[in-house]
Amino acid sequence: ELKVEQNPLFLSMQEGKNYTIYCNYSTTSDRLYWYRQDPGKSLESLFVLLSNGAVKQEGRLMASLDTKARLSTLHITAAVHDLSATYFCAVDSPDDYKLSFGAGTTVTVRA
Amino acid sequence: DAGVTQSPTHLIKTRGQQVTLRCSPKSGHDTVSWYQQALGQGPQFIFQYYEEEERQRGNFPDRFSGHQFPNYSSELNVNALLLGDSALYLCASSLGDARPFFGPGTRLTVL
Repeated sequence: ELKVEQNPLFLSMQEGKNYTIYCNYSTTSDRLYWYRQDPGKSLESLFVLLSNGAVKQEGRLMASLDTKARLSTLHITAAVHDLSATYFCAVDSPDDYKLSFGAGTTVTVRA
Repeated sequence: DAGVTQSPTHLIKTRGQQVTLRCSPKSGHDTVSWYQQALGQGPQFIFQYYEEEERQRGNFPDRFSGHQFPNYSSELNVNALLLGDSALYLCASSLGDARPFFGPGTRLTVL
Protein backbone atom coordinates (compact mmCIF):
# COMPACT_ATOMS: atom_id res chain seq x y z
CA GLU A 1 0.00 0.00 0.00
CA LEU A 2 1.22 3.47 -0.90
CA LYS A 3 2.51 5.43 2.11
CA VAL A 4 2.94 9.18 2.10
CA GLU A 5 5.00 10.91 4.78
CA GLN A 6 5.25 14.63 5.30
CA ASN A 7 7.65 16.46 7.53
CA PRO A 8 7.64 18.44 9.54
CA LEU A 9 4.10 18.07 10.84
CA PHE A 10 4.21 21.50 12.44
CA LEU A 11 6.22 24.46 11.24
CA SER A 12 6.48 27.81 12.96
CA MET A 13 7.82 30.30 10.47
CA GLN A 14 9.22 33.74 11.00
CA GLU A 15 8.08 36.34 8.52
CA GLY A 16 10.58 36.96 5.79
CA LYS A 17 12.46 33.68 6.13
CA ASN A 18 12.55 30.64 3.84
CA TYR A 19 11.32 27.15 4.69
CA THR A 20 10.81 23.75 3.07
CA ILE A 21 8.19 21.03 3.57
CA TYR A 22 9.10 17.51 2.51
CA CYS A 23 6.86 14.78 1.11
CA ASN A 24 8.14 11.22 0.72
CA TYR A 25 6.13 8.42 -0.84
CA SER A 26 6.71 4.71 -0.96
CA THR A 27 5.87 3.51 -4.48
CA THR A 28 5.79 4.67 -8.06
CA SER A 29 3.39 7.50 -8.66
CA ASP A 30 1.74 9.07 -11.71
CA ARG A 31 1.09 12.43 -10.16
CA LEU A 32 1.79 14.38 -7.00
CA TYR A 33 -0.44 17.13 -5.71
CA TRP A 34 0.01 19.88 -3.17
CA TYR A 35 -3.03 21.32 -1.44
CA ARG A 36 -3.63 24.10 1.04
CA GLN A 37 -6.36 23.89 3.66
CA ASP A 38 -7.55 26.72 5.88
CA PRO A 39 -9.28 25.83 9.16
CA GLY A 40 -12.75 24.42 8.55
CA LYS A 41 -12.40 24.74 4.80
CA SER A 42 -11.92 22.38 1.88
CA LEU A 43 -8.75 21.67 -0.06
CA GLU A 44 -7.38 24.31 -2.37
CA SER A 45 -5.26 22.93 -5.17
CA LEU A 46 -1.80 24.49 -5.35
CA PHE A 47 0.25 22.36 -7.73
CA VAL A 48 0.12 19.19 -9.81
CA LEU A 49 3.50 17.65 -10.58
CA LEU A 50 3.57 15.09 -13.35
CA SER A 51 7.13 14.14 -14.14
CA ASN A 52 10.61 13.81 -12.74
CA GLY A 53 12.27 17.17 -12.32
CA ALA A 54 8.99 19.06 -12.54
CA VAL A 55 9.09 22.45 -10.86
CA LYS A 56 6.15 24.77 -10.46
CA GLN A 57 5.99 28.17 -8.82
CA GLU A 58 3.17 30.42 -7.74
CA GLY A 59 3.98 33.52 -5.76
CA ARG A 60 6.06 32.59 -2.72
CA LEU A 61 5.49 28.85 -3.17
CA MET A 62 7.57 26.53 -5.31
CA ALA A 63 7.07 22.78 -5.61
CA SER A 64 9.42 20.23 -7.13
CA LEU A 65 9.36 16.51 -7.77
CA ASP A 66 12.11 13.91 -7.80
CA THR A 67 10.50 10.63 -8.82
CA LYS A 68 13.69 8.64 -8.43
CA ALA A 69 13.99 9.67 -4.79
CA ARG A 70 10.19 9.58 -4.41
CA LEU A 71 10.40 13.02 -2.90
CA SER A 72 8.60 16.27 -3.41
CA THR A 73 9.38 19.56 -1.71
CA LEU A 74 7.29 22.66 -1.15
CA HIS A 75 9.53 25.66 -0.69
CA ILE A 76 8.24 28.83 0.90
CA THR A 77 10.14 32.01 0.17
CA ALA A 78 9.99 35.04 2.50
CA ALA A 79 7.06 33.75 4.55
CA VAL A 80 4.13 36.07 5.15
CA HIS A 81 1.21 35.71 7.54
CA ASP A 82 -1.23 34.86 4.73
CA LEU A 83 0.59 31.57 4.21
CA SER A 84 -0.54 30.26 7.60
CA ALA A 85 -2.53 27.09 6.80
CA THR A 86 -2.18 23.31 6.64
CA TYR A 87 -0.43 21.96 3.56
CA PHE A 88 -1.01 18.45 2.25
CA CYS A 89 0.74 16.45 -0.39
CA ALA A 90 -1.18 13.67 -2.10
CA VAL A 91 0.01 10.95 -4.41
CA ASP A 92 -1.79 9.23 -7.24
CA SER A 93 -0.77 5.60 -7.67
CA PRO A 94 -0.90 3.89 -11.07
CA ASP A 95 -2.26 0.79 -9.36
CA ASP A 96 -5.49 2.30 -8.09
CA TYR A 97 -7.85 5.21 -8.39
CA LYS A 98 -7.46 6.92 -5.02
CA LEU A 99 -5.34 9.76 -3.77
CA SER A 100 -3.17 8.93 -0.77
CA PHE A 101 -2.58 11.93 1.46
CA GLY A 102 0.15 12.82 3.87
CA ALA A 103 -0.74 13.82 7.42
CA GLY A 104 -0.33 17.49 6.60
CA THR A 105 2.03 20.23 7.72
CA THR A 106 0.48 22.95 9.84
CA VAL A 107 2.22 26.22 9.15
CA THR A 108 2.06 29.23 11.43
CA VAL A 109 3.78 32.40 10.36
CA ARG A 110 4.73 34.79 13.15
CA ALA A 111 5.96 38.35 12.94
CA ASP B 1 -19.15 26.87 -14.79
CA ALA B 2 -20.10 25.56 -11.36
CA GLY B 3 -17.49 23.58 -9.56
CA VAL B 4 -18.14 20.62 -7.29
CA THR B 5 -21.02 21.26 -4.94
CA GLN B 6 -21.94 19.41 -1.76
CA SER B 7 -24.94 19.47 0.52
CA PRO B 8 -25.62 20.03 3.27
CA THR B 9 -22.80 22.23 4.54
CA HIS B 10 -23.17 21.16 8.13
CA LEU B 11 -25.08 18.34 9.78
CA ILE B 12 -25.61 17.24 13.36
CA LYS B 13 -26.80 13.71 14.10
CA THR B 14 -26.94 11.44 17.12
CA ARG B 15 -25.37 8.03 17.52
CA GLY B 16 -27.22 5.25 15.72
CA GLN B 17 -28.85 7.53 13.19
CA GLN B 18 -28.35 7.41 9.45
CA VAL B 19 -27.13 10.23 7.21
CA THR B 20 -27.05 10.97 3.48
CA LEU B 21 -24.59 13.41 1.97
CA ARG B 22 -24.84 14.65 -1.60
CA CYS B 23 -22.38 15.70 -4.26
CA SER B 24 -22.79 17.24 -7.69
CA PRO B 25 -19.66 16.95 -9.81
CA LYS B 26 -18.06 19.66 -11.85
CA SER B 27 -19.62 20.01 -15.29
CA GLY B 28 -18.22 17.41 -17.67
CA HIS B 29 -16.89 15.14 -14.94
CA ASP B 30 -18.02 11.53 -14.74
CA THR B 31 -16.16 10.18 -11.71
CA VAL B 32 -16.87 10.92 -8.06
CA SER B 33 -14.72 10.01 -5.07
CA TRP B 34 -15.50 10.46 -1.39
CA TYR B 35 -13.00 11.16 1.37
CA GLN B 36 -13.31 11.41 5.13
CA GLN B 37 -11.14 13.90 6.97
CA ALA B 38 -11.09 13.60 10.74
CA LEU B 39 -9.92 16.59 12.72
CA GLY B 40 -6.17 17.05 12.49
CA GLN B 41 -5.69 14.31 9.90
CA GLY B 42 -5.31 13.98 6.16
CA PRO B 43 -8.26 12.89 4.03
CA GLN B 44 -8.88 9.15 3.81
CA PHE B 45 -10.35 7.56 0.69
CA ILE B 46 -13.80 6.02 1.19
CA PHE B 47 -14.76 4.95 -2.34
CA GLN B 48 -15.00 6.00 -5.97
CA TYR B 49 -17.93 5.78 -8.36
CA TYR B 50 -17.71 5.57 -12.12
CA GLU B 51 -20.49 4.64 -14.54
CA GLU B 52 -22.82 4.23 -11.58
CA GLU B 53 -20.66 1.49 -10.08
CA GLU B 54 -18.36 1.47 -7.08
CA ARG B 55 -14.99 1.14 -8.76
CA GLN B 56 -12.74 1.10 -5.70
CA ARG B 57 -13.29 1.08 -1.97
CA GLY B 58 -11.04 2.14 0.86
CA ASN B 59 -10.76 0.64 4.30
CA PHE B 60 -14.20 1.62 5.57
CA PRO B 61 -16.93 -0.63 7.02
CA ASP B 62 -20.09 -1.59 5.18
CA ARG B 63 -21.96 1.08 7.15
CA PHE B 64 -20.58 3.42 4.49
CA SER B 65 -22.34 3.02 1.18
CA GLY B 66 -22.87 5.14 -1.85
CA HIS B 67 -24.59 5.61 -5.11
CA GLN B 68 -24.00 7.40 -8.39
CA PHE B 69 -26.88 8.57 -10.52
CA PRO B 70 -27.10 8.77 -14.33
CA ASN B 71 -26.35 12.50 -14.17
CA TYR B 72 -23.08 11.60 -12.34
CA SER B 73 -24.15 13.09 -9.03
CA SER B 74 -23.49 10.94 -6.00
CA GLU B 75 -24.65 10.20 -2.48
CA LEU B 76 -22.76 8.94 0.52
CA ASN B 77 -24.81 7.09 3.12
CA VAL B 78 -23.62 6.24 6.58
CA ASN B 79 -25.72 3.96 8.80
CA ALA B 80 -25.59 3.39 12.55
CA LEU B 81 -23.53 6.52 13.14
CA LEU B 82 -20.72 6.40 15.67
CA LEU B 83 -19.03 9.29 17.44
CA GLY B 84 -15.93 8.51 15.40
CA ASP B 85 -17.80 9.27 12.17
CA SER B 86 -17.63 12.96 13.03
CA ALA B 87 -15.51 14.47 10.29
CA LEU B 88 -15.37 16.64 7.21
CA TYR B 89 -16.61 14.63 4.22
CA LEU B 90 -15.10 15.71 0.93
CA CYS B 91 -16.33 14.87 -2.51
CA ALA B 92 -13.96 15.04 -5.48
CA SER B 93 -14.92 14.80 -9.12
CA SER B 94 -12.83 14.13 -12.19
CA LEU B 95 -13.09 13.17 -15.81
CA GLY B 96 -11.93 9.58 -15.67
CA ASP B 97 -8.51 9.41 -14.04
CA ALA B 98 -7.65 13.05 -14.62
CA ARG B 99 -6.95 15.57 -11.87
CA PRO B 100 -9.67 15.59 -9.20
CA PHE B 101 -11.43 18.74 -8.04
CA PHE B 102 -12.65 18.90 -4.47
CA GLY B 103 -15.94 20.28 -3.22
CA PRO B 104 -16.42 22.48 -0.16
CA GLY B 105 -17.16 19.52 2.10
CA THR B 106 -19.89 18.56 4.55
CA ARG B 107 -19.09 18.86 8.24
CA LEU B 108 -20.79 15.98 10.10
CA THR B 109 -21.02 16.06 13.86
CA VAL B 110 -22.26 12.97 15.70
CA LEU B 111 -23.40 13.51 19.29
